[in-house]
Amino acid sequence: AQRVTQPEKLLSVFKGAPVELKCNYSYSGSPELFWYVQYSRQRLQLLLRHISRESIKGFTADLNKGETSFHLKKPFAQEEDSAMYYCALSGMDSSYKLIFGSGTRLLVRP
Amino acid sequence: SQTIHQWPATLVQPVGSPLSLECTVEGTSNPNLYWYRQAAGRGLQLLFYSVGIGQISSEVPQNLSASRPQDRQFILSSKKLLLSDSGFYLCAWSAGLVGSEQFFGPGTRLTVL
Repeated sequence: AQRVTQPEKLLSVFKGAPVELKCNYSYSGSPELFWYVQYSRQRLQLLLRHISRESIKGFTADLNKGETSFHLKKPFAQEEDSAMYYCALSGMDSSYKLIFGSGTRLLVRP
Repeated sequence: SQTIHQWPATLVQPVGSPLSLECTVEGTSNPNLYWYRQAAGRGLQLLFYSVGIGQISSEVPQNLSASRPQDRQFILSSKKLLLSDSGFYLCAWSAGLVGSEQFFGPGTRLTVL
């Protein structure tokens, strides 16, 4: 069965500290992984996807197929990074669906 | 550019009343359309998705139904609301390609009393 697990409901760090939001997945085929973000009073939006292999707003995420993980990292957190972050999986085997994790709220304190 | 609209933004309904939430997309043709429910601590639960007019796939058996009467219109309905139907409902669209990014609407906050 397809599943995305985000073990932390809340992650609180100080400004300038490194951040790692954890995401593990379960999928038997070839997955595509995403990170979506929802800032306060804004719509849920795509942050990055593994296939792009790019850094967005200083965030990066590497797909580790051996550990079935797709952790989101940023070396120096900023207050504006405070938001709800969702990891999501799409199967490349003709599935149009996204399976979302339960989300992690990141709080960056001054 | 493409935009997605949802209405109403908030809704308070009594138990047993009907429900109709509407979602429309502009600026694209033949999108895939999705209804999610977002619950605190439980993430986004996919309720329905549609790859074309009249084509609806249900992900979770429940008190809700969905319809797609037009290419860019997606409706979430219920004949009789339950207390457990309260939540935040999100509509989304994506291009008709596997693994495409999904674009989300502003959501509807439904409270069933």
